[in-house]
Amino acid sequence: GAGVSQTPSNKVTEKGKYVELRCDPISGHTALYWYRQSLGQGPEFLIYFQGTGAADDSGLPNDRFFAVRPEGSVSTLKIQRTERGDSAVYLCASSPTSGGVSDTQYFGPGTRLTVL
Amino acid sequence: AQSVTQLDSHVSVSEGTPVLLRCNYSSSYSPSLFWYVQHPNKGLQLLLKYTSAATLVKGINGFEAEFKKSETSFHLTKPSAHMSDAAEYFCVVSDLRTGRRALTFGSGTRLQVQP
Repeated sequence: GAGVSQTPSNKVTEKGKYVELRCDPISGHTALYWYRQSLGQGPEFLIYFQGTGAADDSGLPNDRFFAVRPEGSVSTLKIQRTERGDSAVYLCASSPTSGGVSDTQYFGPGTRLTVL
Repeated sequence: AQSVTQLDSHVSVSEGTPVLLRCNYSSSYSPSLFWYVQHPNKGLQLLLKYTSAATLVKGINGFEAEFKKSETSFHLTKPSAHMSDAAEYFCVVSDLRTGRRALTFGSGTRLQVQP
């Protein structure tokens, strides 16, 4: 079956621009996560959705970052007024409906964002 | 707060020799612990996970890890390295007590396998 997919795979933008990153989770997975991985580091949590609602957005670095999941499936991470420090690989993961903390999270290949 | 420390940023072994990747965790309660692998230009893949059942956990591709509460460790081992094992490995923790589903990743260990 299909895994988690993310588009685009690469995005180059200029400082100050707005970007949207898309995530398609595994079919039937109600939990969806966004992480950010800077060069040479492990991924860092940004936000978690259970269904359509953001259950935990404590990892979003500031109000320039926002994410939605309007129909409980596809999610979009939105970054306003991009800064060079936003350059990173943005990872999306999904997990099954039981929603336990020990549930396996299945990761997509990521979107590499470069802010010039 | 929970955290993990991967003691080696880089490990190099010869093909056919044992692999040991070290991880120590800090958690205020009973953690769930995971090892993920990341091959170049590919997504993170789960190798194995510990969720308070057996302390010796077997994963895919011959990897295993042992949860040692007294040492707060969760080291990853494999008896014999293959060239295809060359990748970045992440030790990961989540906290059962808080129910918070965010994973906390270590900084990673790059495994190099020499022919």
